[in-house]
Amino acid sequence: GAVVSQHPSWVICKSGTSVKIECRSLDFQATTMFWYRQFPKQSLMLMATSNEGSKATYEQGVEKDKFLINHASLTLSTLTVTSAHPEDSSFYICSARRGLADTQYFGPGTRLTVL
Amino acid sequence: QQPVQSPQAVILREGEDAVINCSSSKALYSVHWYRQKHGEAPVFLMILLKGGEQKGHDKISASFNEKKQQSSLYLTASQLSYSGTYFCGTEAYTSGTYKYIFGTGTRLKVLA
Repeated sequence: GAVVSQHPSWVICKSGTSVKIECRSLDFQATTMFWYRQFPKQSLMLMATSNEGSKATYEQGVEKDKFLINHASLTLSTLTVTSAHPEDSSFYICSARRGLADTQYFGPGTRLTVL
Repeated sequence: QQPVQSPQAVILREGEDAVINCSSSKALYSVHWYRQKHGEAPVFLMILLKGGEQKGHDKISASFNEKKQQSSLYLTASQLSYSGTYFCGTEAYTSGTYKYIFGTGTRLKVLA
């Protein structure tokens, strides 16, 4: 149980285009979903936390207009990287959890390359 | 502030033991441990909750010292499959909300 999927796994796009990444909890309802980005050989950096039906809470330094997060249901959250640039290239990982004392279950990640 | 893990990196031979520490400057509600292989998402190992506890399964165990705001992960009789980067994830109550932050990471390499 507690499986989280992400789609797509890999995406290569041209500079200036927008990319949407989906995160789904397949066998549980997630009250909270998290979005992280990870650069090579570095730790995961939390970008935002989203609760179903409410606006996402962004971490300091993360542009909310550039990284649009929508948490439409208890099983789906999306991250849209708008007007992507090469510096946005990274490994984006989502996680989901059922409640406060629960751990986070991670999706397999999406590797974004912006040319 | 990001929890600090030590050591930053360690190389072991198969069968050796290792301890990875995670230290936070904030009072912690919980500590989670993960292992991440290159190019993959982190895999959950265990969670320790406030109240100070120890947990373990197989040859991997952990402790949580609430007073010191520290947690340690113990790997005994290491196997090749233990190689990867270990992260602690800490949850602390800050400014009216629970914040989740990953530690700096510890790279572990087990050699045959």
